[in-house]
Amino acid sequence: DTAVSQTPKYLVTQMGNDKSIKCEQNLGHDTMYWYKQDSKKFLKIMFSYNNKELIINETVPNRFSPKSPDKAHLNLHINSLELGDSAVYFCASSLLAGGSQGTQYFGPGTRLTVL
Amino acid sequence: AQSVTQLGSHVSVSEGALVLLRCNYSSSVPPYLFWYVQYPNQGLQLLLKYTSAATLVKGINGFEAEFKKSETSFHLTKPSAHMSDAAEYFCAVGGDFGNEKLTFGTGTRLTIIP
Repeated sequence: DTAVSQTPKYLVTQMGNDKSIKCEQNLGHDTMYWYKQDSKKFLKIMFSYNNKELIINETVPNRFSPKSPDKAHLNLHINSLELGDSAVYFCASSLLAGGSQGTQYFGPGTRLTVL
Repeated sequence: AQSVTQLGSHVSVSEGALVLLRCNYSSSVPPYLFWYVQYPNQGLQLLLKYTSAATLVKGINGFEAEFKKSETSFHLTKPSAHMSDAAEYFCAVGGDFGNEKLTFGTGTRLTIIP
C-alpha cells in the first residue's frame, strides 16, 4: 500500500555511466516532483510535472532528463554521471500544484553513489 | 520569492523536556507552511501544515506549530520529547495554487538526551 515508491533504493555506479531512477505514486495525484538532497541534507527541487507536462525545470544540467509516461509515474534518467551527482534523490507527489491541495508526499529516496 | 530560515542546525533536548524548533519565513504572498520530519535513511513525512484555516496547527506525534504573521514565524513545538522524536526536521514554504514549488529550510537535527 506504499503511496510513493522509488526504485532502486540504492544505486552505485561508475563515473560516465547512464542510469535511471523510477517513481510511482498510487495516490491519484496530478503533480509529481524530483528533489535532490545533498550531503548536508539540503533539499532542492529539480523538476515538476503536472499531468505529464513539465512545469518546473530548475537550473539542472541537461544530463538529467525526466520522463512522465503517465501521471502516476515520473522517471529520472541521468547521462554521463559525475561525482557531484552523488546524493539522495526523492520523488514526491501532490494532488494539485500548490495551494491547500499542494501538500507533497515523498518517496523513500534513492541513494546514488558515483565512484 | 519565498524562503525559510531554520535557526539552529542542531538542537538537543532531554527526554521529557519541551521541544522548540524555529522557522521564519519570507513570502510576498500568503504562504502555505509545512513541517516535515525525516528519520534516518527514510523519506520525508509530513508532520503538519498551515493553510490559513487556523493559526495553531496540530500535527502527528504530539507536535504543533503556530503561525505568527507579525513575526513571520512558524515554530514547531512538542511539550514532552520522546526518544523516538530524534530526527531531522524541515520547514518549508509553498505558495498559492499554480505555485507548486516548495522551498525548504536547511533542516534542524533534533537529538534527544536520555
